[in-house]
Amino acid sequence: GAVVSQHPSRVICKSGTSVKIECRSLDFQATTMFWYRQFPKQSLMLMATSNEGSKATYEQGVEKDKFLINHASLTLSTLTVTSAHPEDSSFYICSARGSPSSYNEQFFGPGTRLTVL
Amino acid sequence: GENVEQHPSTLSVQEGDSAVIKCTYSDSASNYFPWYKQELGKRPQLIIDIRSNVGEKKDQRIAVTLNKTAKHFSLHITETQPEDSAVYFCAASTGEWSYKYIFGTGTRLKVLA
Repeated sequence: GAVVSQHPSRVICKSGTSVKIECRSLDFQATTMFWYRQFPKQSLMLMATSNEGSKATYEQGVEKDKFLINHASLTLSTLTVTSAHPEDSSFYICSARGSPSSYNEQFFGPGTRLTVL
Repeated sequence: GENVEQHPSTLSVQEGDSAVIKCTYSDSASNYFPWYKQELGKRPQLIIDIRSNVGEKKDQRIAVTLNKTAKHFSLHITETQPEDSAVYFCAASTGEWSYKYIFGTGTRLKVLA
């Protein structure tokens, strides 16, 4: 149980285009989803927290107009990188947290490697 | 906000020896401390976690200790094996409305055969 999927697993795009990444909880309802970015040989940096049906809360330094997050249902959150540039190339990982009964534990997706040319 | 420091950044041990990774956190409200193992290009995998009402937890070769007063927690791996080689991350989380994780900077563990 507690499986989280991400799509696509890899994406290569040209500079200036927008890229959408999907994060789905397959067998549980995710009241909260989190988006992280991980550069090579670095830690996971939290970008934003999203709760179903409400606006995402962005961490300091993350541009909300560039990284659009939509948590439209209890099983799906999307991250759209708008007008992507080479410096946005990174490994993007989502995680999901279930109902309050699951306490703090987050379940991670497999990640999406974004390369912007 | 919460800040998590992790040491060492790299660690090499001989197969069969023990490995210890230490983390400190700043927010006394943090109450949940998971440890993750991440292999290159893969998702982080939870290997053990501890809640603030417990001082120690063990699962086979892996143990975690927590000192709330000093605000630090440690991962102990005994009888290390080559397949333990990976990057390990600690994290701290508070039971507030967001339950967000703040990760440590990571430790690259190499187990030498």
